[in-house]
Amino acid sequence: NAGVMQNPRHLVRRRGQEARLRCSPMKGHSHVYWYRQLPEEGLKFMVYLQKENIIDESGMPKERFSAEFPKEGPSILRIQQVVRGDSAAYFCASSPGTAQYGYTFGSGTRLTVV
Amino acid sequence: GQSLEQPSEVTAVEGAIVQMNCTYQTSGFYGLSWYQQHDGGAPTFLSYNALDGLEETGRFSSFLSRSDSYGYLLLQELQMKDSASYFCAVRDRNTNAGKSTFGDGTTLTVKP
Repeated sequence: NAGVMQNPRHLVRRRGQEARLRCSPMKGHSHVYWYRQLPEEGLKFMVYLQKENIIDESGMPKERFSAEFPKEGPSILRIQQVVRGDSAAYFCASSPGTAQYGYTFGSGTRLTVV
Repeated sequence: GQSLEQPSEVTAVEGAIVQMNCTYQTSGFYGLSWYQQHDGGAPTFLSYNALDGLEETGRFSSFLSRSDSYGYLLLQELQMKDSASYFCAVRDRNTNAGKSTFGDGTTLTVKP
């Protein structure tokens, strides 16, 4: 049973370009969460999605960032017109429901904006 | 909202016992979770306390006291591979989101 799959592992973008990060949850998991981690810092919540629905996007910057989880295919975190401050590790986690247990995290995408 | 505080660094020697604390302020949560993250790696779920008291899993134990808004992770028989960052997290009960809020983590360094 494959875990949470994220790709790419590393992504380099020039300022002003778009970044697309993909996340396929574990089989049987219908809840996807995106977190951002800056160096030497903790995980900051960005958005929570279920299939075709954004449940909570309170941690998403109001501009340039968007997320989706379509009926078919992976969840996508999209960052338009990237800036240097977007450089971070972006982790996706999934869970089977709003169960009161832990997440399973993917290996993350390290975004570097040059 | 939720906020969690953890000491930033802890150092201990191989074979010793170390306790990493977590204090929190929350408007409602299901329980306290702990995650381990090695440098450059993904966070890995370690333990979860829904109720007050101690939960033990091998060399790892986690404790929660809701009345004190406090918890800790205890690692026994420390090994070099335990050097990592450890995060506590609470899962929000007040929305239908179930999202987790994480502390900034404690970096544990195990020395020979």
